[in-house]
Amino acid sequence: ETGVTQSPTHLIKTRGQQVTLRCSSQSGHNTVSWYQQALGQGPQFIFQYYREEENGRGNFPPRFSGLQFPNYSSELNVNALELDDSALYLCASSSQGLNEQFFGPGTRLTVL
Amino acid sequence: AQSVSQHNHHVILSEAASLELGCNYSYGGTVNLFWYVQYPGQHLQLLLKYFSGDPLVKGIKGFEAEFIKSKFSFNLRKPSVQWSDTAEYFCAANSLGGGADGLTFGKGTHLIIQP
Repeated sequence: ETGVTQSPTHLIKTRGQQVTLRCSSQSGHNTVSWYQQALGQGPQFIFQYYREEENGRGNFPPRFSGLQFPNYSSELNVNALELDDSALYLCASSSQGLNEQFFGPGTRLTVL
Repeated sequence: AQSVSQHNHHVILSEAASLELGCNYSYGGTVNLFWYVQYPGQHLQLLLKYFSGDPLVKGIKGFEAEFIKSKFSFNLRKPSVQWSDTAEYFCAANSLGGGADGLTFGKGTHLIIQP
C-alpha cells in the first residue's frame, strides 16, 4: 500500500447536490493530482495542486474544483452533480521533480 | 491531442503462458511512459516506468516493457504468467519533466489467468 489515504470510501448523492472528497498525501510529497475513473475506463486527469495552487488541469468543467492545504492534503469539490459524475475518484501524490505518482484507494461516488 | 491506446481490452491466458500487452501513445515531444496494475479490490500500483536511457525496462514481479520510439509503442511483457497476475493493467504517459502534466491513461486491459 501507498501512504495515500482517501475519504470517504463510498458516497451516494443525488443529482444537483454538491460533494467534497478528501485526500491525504504520502509523507514527503507536496503535489496532489485527482483523477476520475468511470466504470470500464482508465483514469482521466482532473487537475493537480502544488503549493496550494492549481497548476495543471484536464478537460473537466469549472464545477470540478479543489483545494490544497499547507500540510499538502487536498479536497476535490464537485458542484451540481450529474449522473455521469458517478465514478471512482482517485487521488495521487508525488514530489515535484520526482515524476512518479502514488495512488490512493479511491472514493466510489454514485449519483442517483 | 495526447492519447494512449491499449489494443486488447480482455485477455485470457493459462498459467505459464507468455504475455504481451500492447500500448501505443500519441504525444507531442518527449514522453515518460508507465505501466500500472490494479489487482481486484486494490489501488493502482506502479509496475514499471521509462523516462530515458535503456529502452528495455524491468519492473516488479517479473514484468518488463520495451520502448520503441519509431513505433510509438511501450508493450508490457512477462515470459510466464501466474494466476496471481489476474488484474487490470493500464498504460500511461505524460510529458518529459512531468510537472503540471497529469498522466494520460489507456482504457486498460483486463487480464485473466486460468489455473
